[in-house]
Amino acid sequence: TQLLEQSPQFLSIQEGENLTVYCNSSSVFSSLQWYRQEPGEGPVLLVTVVTGGEVKKLKRLTFQFGDARKDSSLHITAAQPGDTGLYLCASSGSARQLTFGSGTQLTVLP
Amino acid sequence: GAGVSQTPSNKVTEKGKYVELRCDPISGHTALYWYRQSLGQGPEFLIYFQGTGAADDSGLPNDRFFAVRPEGSVSTLKIQRTERGDSAVYLCASSQLGVSYNEQFFGPGTRLTVL
Repeated sequence: TQLLEQSPQFLSIQEGENLTVYCNSSSVFSSLQWYRQEPGEGPVLLVTVVTGGEVKKLKRLTFQFGDARKDSSLHITAAQPGDTGLYLCASSGSARQLTFGSGTQLTVLP
Repeated sequence: GAGVSQTPSNKVTEKGKYVELRCDPISGHTALYWYRQSLGQGPEFLIYFQGTGAADDSGLPNDRFFAVRPEGSVSTLKIQRTERGDSAVYLCASSQLGVSYNEQFFGPGTRLTVL
């Protein structure tokens, strides 16, 4: 089973600041997904990255897949309180089920 | 359209009791997954259904846990002789195979508390 390590575990920043969170594995990802989870809700898919070196943008969120497909990052520009949540990376490998990292709990203070 | 729904949203039970958790997937989704999420952690896989059959139940922690999906739609996760360590949020997800990179749609979860 592929292990996904996320860092930092917790992040608390002021509105307007930029931030980056990371997802790493010792083995190659076939594809990687980023989810955001808010309290009392299930995770919601933000993006899927597939190709090494790929960069995808979703408004103020920029997702990057490492060239070797063993790491990924999520960068948020000018964070807003609405960005608060648990950010999870996940990969399915050859199986159908997802393996999740332990997540980064982001709090954006107004 | 309706998303994945789960009932109940909260369940409090006593140690040793039996509980059933229900999941209604998105209509037409053939794949259904159960995950368990402890506080401060990411979801952990329990079991995956393709249609009516359990395609992979390798994540079930022991034989107290069992899940069914008799008509290929609604699924029920059953836990016998509950233990305090079973307390967690149980998430259900569904997906349509062959559409994208296994994009899964999650329900809001059932928070199980075993006293």
